[in-house]
Amino acid sequence: GAVVSQHPSWVICKSGTSVKIECRSLDFQATTMFWYRQFPKQSLMLMATSNEGSKATYEQGVEKDKFLINHASLTLSTLTVTSAHPEDSSFYICSARRGTGSRQPQHFGDGTRLSIL
Amino acid sequence: AQKVTQAQTEISVVEKEDVTLDCVYETRDTTYYLFWYKQPPSGELVFLIRRNSFDEQNEISGRYSWNFQKSTSSFNFTITASQVVDSAVYFCALSGGGGADGLTFGKGTHLIIQP
Repeated sequence: GAVVSQHPSWVICKSGTSVKIECRSLDFQATTMFWYRQFPKQSLMLMATSNEGSKATYEQGVEKDKFLINHASLTLSTLTVTSAHPEDSSFYICSARRGTGSRQPQHFGDGTRLSIL
Repeated sequence: AQKVTQAQTEISVVEKEDVTLDCVYETRDTTYYLFWYKQPPSGELVFLIRRNSFDEQNEISGRYSWNFQKSTSSFNFTITASQVVDSAVYFCALSGGGGADGLTFGKGTHLIIQP
């Protein structure tokens, strides 16, 4: 069964709305979670690394004030797309890594399809 | 900087044919991990394999096999006796930092298996 839950799976909202996406590790503690974005028919691009109890690390070109990441507990990271616009429409997918060892694999959520009208 | 190249954008074969998906990577890390994921139309990522940079043994899992060659920085994926259910987009990915970093994905190969 799934070990990472992502919610919601699908969102349609008006331009200017802020949207929050949750990523939960179901049966393990995840000190590190990752957020990716995938535009239609394109690859997944790493947006940011979310570390429990500290600020997220954003990849070059990703606006941290636009994409707010909060990793307040060992099982939950949230991505908030603030004042979303049509160009933010995309497939957002998170992953969580068990423990802190580099040998640990990442488990992916099922993704969130965000459509901004 | 890391880079993963999947030169084949789309491959179409007839069912039961064998098909190989190519993956070439670039990294300066001495310890890294390579992955293959399957993404069906529903969007979720299905994990297929993870291989660390020190293990060059080829792996076989049912109809799937992987050929890792450090000398050519390649990690190719072969499906034997393909089936319609294999139709999907397949991504090759790389994790540096000894595997602790986020993944760098290739652009993906859209595999179409025709009945």
